Amino acid sequence: DAGVTQSPTHLIKTRGQHVTLRCSPISGHKSVSWYQQVLGQGPQFIFQYYEKEERGRGNFPDRFSARQFPNYSSELNVNALLLGDSALYLCASSLGTGTLNQPQHFGDGTRLSIL
Amino acid sequence: AQSVTQLDSQVPVFEEAPVELRCNYSSSVSVYLFWYVQYPNQGLQLLLKYLSGSTLVKGINGFEAEFNKSQTSFHLRKPSVHISDTAEYFCAVTRETGGFKTIFGAGTRLFVKA
Repeated sequence: DAGVTQSPTHLIKTRGQHVTLRCSPISGHKSVSWYQQVLGQGPQFIFQYYEKEERGRGNFPDRFSARQFPNYSSELNVNALLLGDSALYLCASSLGTGTLNQPQHFGDGTRLSIL
Repeated sequence: AQSVTQLDSQVPVFEEAPVELRCNYSSSVSVYLFWYVQYPNQGLQLLLKYLSGSTLVKGINGFEAEFNKSQTSFHLRKPSVHISDTAEYFCAVTRETGGFKTIFGAGTRLFVKA
């Protein structure tokens, strides 16, 4: 079975532009979470979606938004890009909303570079 | 509020030696604890998790961790490391109530030398 897939793998943008990152969860997984990992740091939680509804939000500005589609895939959108948005963006999927007996499975991420 | 502290940013160790990667957490509610490993240019892979029950948890690749509630710690151990264990290791906590949110530590770089 395919794991979590993210696209694109690498992306270069300039300040002020907009970006859309995409994530396809493992088949049967209904929950998708997004994380930002700045170089040398641990992942920072951005959003969690379950059954197309936002179930959790981290401390990120409104420039960050996301949505989940009926097929459970998800998009992360970032507007008005800043240099500090340069990071590895990770998507993780799980069966449900919690991690109790449902571990998160991570994709390999999208490396976003802002010039 | 939750926080996760990984006490060592880098841990160099010789092959076949034992290793301990330290993690302390703080939270005002019950949490669940995890260790993940990240190899270069890859996402995170779950090593092990503590949800409840026995405080000694065994994971993949020979790793184990011990939950200590009084010391709010969840240290990761391996009795004999291999070159292939060289990677970044992250401790994480997920809170039980108030929705779903996972907090990661800053990571510990394990470097295994021949």
